[in-house]
Amino acid sequence: DIVMTQTPLSSPVTLGQPASISCRSSQSLVDSDGNTFLSWLHQRPGQPPRLLIYKISNRFSGVPDRFSGSGAGTDFTLKISRVEAEDVGIYYCMQATQFPWTFGQGTKVEIK
Amino acid sequence: EVQLVESGGGLVQPGRSLRLSCRGSGFTFGDYTVTWFRQAPGKGLEWVSLIRRKAYDESTEYAASVKGRFTIWRHDSESIAYLQMNSLKTEDTGIYYCTRARGFDYWGQGTLVTVSS
Repeated sequence: DIVMTQTPLSSPVTLGQPASISCRSSQSLVDSDGNTFLSWLHQRPGQPPRLLIYKISNRFSGVPDRFSGSGAGTDFTLKISRVEAEDVGIYYCMQATQFPWTFGQGTKVEIK
Repeated sequence: EVQLVESGGGLVQPGRSLRLSCRGSGFTFGDYTVTWFRQAPGKGLEWVSLIRRKAYDESTEYAASVKGRFTIWRHDSESIAYLQMNSLKTEDTGIYYCTRARGFDYWGQGTLVTVSS
């Protein structure tokens, strides 16, 4: 199985300041067609997850442009340029390149 | 508006069965692979199963933890997918979500499954 490792696991941030979450996979997420199925999801307490970023760097419809994804191969990053109050919650990276699809442990973002 | 609605959860004893449903609306259900995820109380997300669309023979995949106990199928004419869960264990407890794959763009609110004696 591909192991997804997120760092940090907790990120206290100041409103208006940037935040960054790293996600590393135990093997390359590039499939035989050259696609990389790495997504970022955000989950607020008591809510279902919602998609932020797909295929490394593509923002889903309606996702603010303060969110950006980058990376390649085994190393990926989610950045929030200026954290807003609504950004609190848990962020997960997820790979859907190889079965079983797997998630990172989650990074809890909270306001200082 | 694209929507996915899960139902069928509840409290069940270990060893018993439960059938979950995932109904889609606002899109052509048969054009998409449907996948189930779950989340144990206070824990992270776990992929459970998926069923591909008809063009891919409605082929299925399962996580090792549920293979042989869970079965997924779909009825595109009704825009619904099912997850039959047999021989339930306490570790199957959690909220079960369905979503479209591989975009994971729309998620239902989930349905809670509690396996307890």
